[in-house]
Amino acid sequence: ILNVEQSPQSLHVQEGDSTNFTCSFPSSNFYALHWYRWETAKSPEALFVMTLNGDEKKKGRISATLNTKEGYSYLYIKGSQPEDSATYLCASHYGGSQGNLIFGKGTKLSVKP
Amino acid sequence: ETGVTQSPTHLIKTRGQQVTLRCSSQSGHNTVSWYQQALGQGPQFIFQYYREEENGRGNFPPRFSGLQFPNYSSELNVNALELDDSALYLCASSRGQGRGEKLFFGSGTQLSVL
Repeated sequence: ILNVEQSPQSLHVQEGDSTNFTCSFPSSNFYALHWYRWETAKSPEALFVMTLNGDEKKKGRISATLNTKEGYSYLYIKGSQPEDSATYLCASHYGGSQGNLIFGKGTKLSVKP
Repeated sequence: ETGVTQSPTHLIKTRGQQVTLRCSSQSGHNTVSWYQQALGQGPQFIFQYYREEENGRGNFPPRFSGLQFPNYSSELNVNALELDDSALYLCASSRGQGRGEKLFFGSGTQLSVL
């Protein structure tokens, strides 16, 4: 059974702090790694999709890296703001139907003003 | 551009009943996937439809079935509801089957089975 693990489960930071989360996934037959941000009462929103070992992607203050050989991805938030408060989900795709993503349980981030 | 919409937003059913959940995909998207998120878990893949055909299925029993229509909207049907079917059901659409395609999610249907 393929399993995607995320840590930490939850995180509380002060406004202005930088933070990072980890996503671990089985590296064999890897196809793609997705990150989503899910704010309360909203829809999950795609942040990044990464496919190549060593990929780095950036969107504003948020960036992500990918290591497919060892099976991990990091998500970084620089200078956290209260609006960054959300659950961050990662999901790994192992080929086959594109929708068959295996999700972790998420990291819930709370940013205090 | 219209996003992914799901209906209803909340639903209460009793054990043994049947339920139909609906999803309108984002404009220009031909692929729809359904996920179940139980409390405290990550979303779990149910199945995917591509151009009206089922194109992949997760570890869910046959009483979970679906349809995709010519306009690429979709339905998820669950027969003989069980208490463990209580969950948030998410629909996601994408432009196709490409390796780097992002999923665009609706806000979900919260199903409670009593």
